[in-house]
Amino acid sequence: AQSVTQLDSQVPVFEEAPVELRCNYSSSVSVYLFWYVQYPNQGLQLLLKYLSGSTLVESINGFEAEFNKSQTSFHLRKPSVHISDTAEYFCAVRAGGTSYGKLTFGQGTILTVHP
Amino acid sequence: GAGVSQSPRYKVTKRGQDVTLRCDPISSHATLYWYQQALGQGPEFLTYFNYEAQPDKSGLPSDRFSAERPEGSISTLTIQRTEQRDSAMYRCASSLRDGIYEQYFGPGTRLTVT
Repeated sequence: AQSVTQLDSQVPVFEEAPVELRCNYSSSVSVYLFWYVQYPNQGLQLLLKYLSGSTLVESINGFEAEFNKSQTSFHLRKPSVHISDTAEYFCAVRAGGTSYGKLTFGQGTILTVHP
Repeated sequence: GAGVSQSPRYKVTKRGQDVTLRCDPISSHATLYWYQQALGQGPEFLTYFNYEAQPDKSGLPSDRFSAERPEGSISTLTIQRTEQRDSAMYRCASSLRDGIYEQYFGPGTRLTVT
């Protein structure tokens, strides 16, 4: 079984500041890792994912996350945030090497970007 | 359809009543997932379908919860004899196939049991 811990429930930052949203996981097998974002009154959207290969993955809107196997982490970072990045962010994991797509989510981190 | 749709978006029901939630996945998608999200928590897996088959329903909290997808497209989640603890956001997602394919989520149904 897998579990995910998001260490911060809320992260307030000012516009153009850097941000890091922390995610740690536990699993007895290899994993695939995901970050989802939920904007107000919308469904969850995939932001980025790590399946294999390079441990650093990027999204089209400037976020990046690095898979660190030794620390079992997949922290999400952005060097300069915008007001429009205000949303709730969820880290998720699924068992690797299987055909089973069930996701296990963390508790979520609410990112609030202030002007 | 263009995306995953769910109905109703909001449902308020009295304790003891039955409710049925509907999910309409992306038309080409074989796999459909149901998740439950309590306030302040992340989504938790309930069950999933590959076409009509339901390989895993281990996440359903009790036998009051059931889901079906009789024609391999639209799915319904039914909660019988609702209880206050059933109040949550119920999320549906679909993917092209099972496995590592991206899951596309609907807007969710907010269920409130009074």
